[in-house]
Amino acid sequence: AQSVTQPDIHITVSEGASLELRCNYSYGATPYLFWYVQSPGQGLQLLLKYFSGDTLVQGIKGFEAEFKRSQSSFNLRKPSVHWSDAAEYFCAVGGRLTGGGNKLTFGTGTQLKVEL
Amino acid sequence: EADIYQTPRYLVIGTGKKITLECSQTMGHDKMYWYQQDPGMELHLIHYSYGVNSTEKGDLSSESTVSRIRTEHFPLTLESARPSHTSQYLCASSERQGGPNSPLHFGNGTRLTVT
Repeated sequence: AQSVTQPDIHITVSEGASLELRCNYSYGATPYLFWYVQSPGQGLQLLLKYFSGDTLVQGIKGFEAEFKRSQSSFNLRKPSVHWSDAAEYFCAVGGRLTGGGNKLTFGTGTQLKVEL
Repeated sequence: EADIYQTPRYLVIGTGKKITLECSQTMGHDKMYWYQQDPGMELHLIHYSYGVNSTEKGDLSSESTVSRIRTEHFPLTLESARPSHTSQYLCASSERQGGPNSPLHFGNGTRLTVT
């Protein structure tokens, strides 16, 4: 069965500092990987996705993620964090549903706090 | 910017009441989903639909029911609300050809509190 682990429940960084959020997955085949962000009181917004090809993928808002098959990881990074990046971040792996569709399996999320 | 709409955003209701959470999308997506989200927990799929007149249960057992009479509309109903139903409910959709590589588009959620 597919699963996602986000080992850091909370992370605090200073504005302007670099950021790395960890994600490890378990999946039997080539994984389809996603990062979503959720601001307070909002739904989830897609930051980026990986299916195949270049293992470093670029997303919105200056985020990037690197797929490392040997480590079963898909860590999210940003070189310089802005106060508006404070939110909860979810890593997810895609799977097949009967009849079609994407069964996303999510991690428990990482809450990011940005200190000014 | 959202093309998927959920109403109400917040709902506080007493035990035993019947409630319907609305979800509509304007993207013409065939696939629609309901996720349940509790603080500090991963999102759990409770229902999905791959088209009109199709509904399936997800991984997490739920006492709620769903219907899909129109492509754009995927309401969730609780016949008799209980405090254990207190949670955030997120609706999502994905495109017609979508498989496990297809991103889900989420609404802003309904936060339900049952007293």
